[in-house]
Amino acid sequence: DGGITQSPKYLFRKEGQNVTLSCEQNLNHDAMYWYRQDPGQGLRLIYYSQIVNDFQKGDIAEGYSVSREKKESFPLTVTSAQKNPTAFYLCASTSGHKREQYFGPGTRLTVT
Amino acid sequence: AQSVAQPEDQVNVAEGNPLTVKCTYSVSGNPYLFWYVQYPNRGLQFLLKYITGDNLVKGSYGFEAEFNKSQTSFHLKKPSALVSDSALYFCAVTSASGTYKYIFGTGTRLKVLA
Repeated sequence: DGGITQSPKYLFRKEGQNVTLSCEQNLNHDAMYWYRQDPGQGLRLIYYSQIVNDFQKGDIAEGYSVSREKKESFPLTVTSAQKNPTAFYLCASTSGHKREQYFGPGTRLTVT
Repeated sequence: AQSVAQPEDQVNVAEGNPLTVKCTYSVSGNPYLFWYVQYPNRGLQFLLKYITGDNLVKGSYGFEAEFNKSQTSFHLKKPSALVSDSALYFCAVTSASGTYKYIFGTGTRLKVLA
C-alpha cells in the first residue's frame, strides 16, 4: 500500500527535551510538508521541502528543525526553544504543484 | 499574501437536506483550490480540487464545489447530507505562480443531525 506513515501516534515528553517526529512516504513524491494543528487555528505550515537536500521555513518555523536527506523521509525535530509544543502534527506530501496533498495520520505531542 | 477564510466555525444541517460549507480566498495569480475532510484524531483526506476548466467540480462521497472567480469563493456543497458526513472540513489554496506552499482555512465543523 502506498501512503504516508507517521510515528509514533502519541508522544509524551518533558519540557526542555528535544523530540523528533518521523514521517515516511512511499509515494515517490518530491514535495513534503509539516503542519501544526491547534483547535480553532486550522493547519499552520512549519517547514516544507520541494526536493531532497532543500527545505524552506513556513509560517511558524521558530523552535523547529527538519532535514531531507532522502526523498522518502522528512523528520521534524521539536526543540526546547519551541515555547508551546503541545499540538497535533501532520505530515503531507504532493507529487506536484497542481496536485492535492496526501496526509499522514498525525502525531499528537504532549509536553509537560 | 495568500489567505483563506472559512467564515463559519460550525454548520448544522438535518440529514437529507442540502449542505454548504463556505470558503473565500485571496491569492496573486490563478488559484488552485482544494477541499479536505478530517475525522477525529486522523489526517486530512482529499475531497476535490479546482485547477482549471469547469467551475463546478465533483469529488468524493457526493461532494461538489463551485468556483466563483468574481466572488473569490469555492463553496463546498452536497445535495443530501448524511450523518456520516459529520466531520471537520478544510479549504486550501495555492497560487499557480507561487511556490509549493499551501494555505489552509481554519476549518468548519459540519454536524449532520438525524
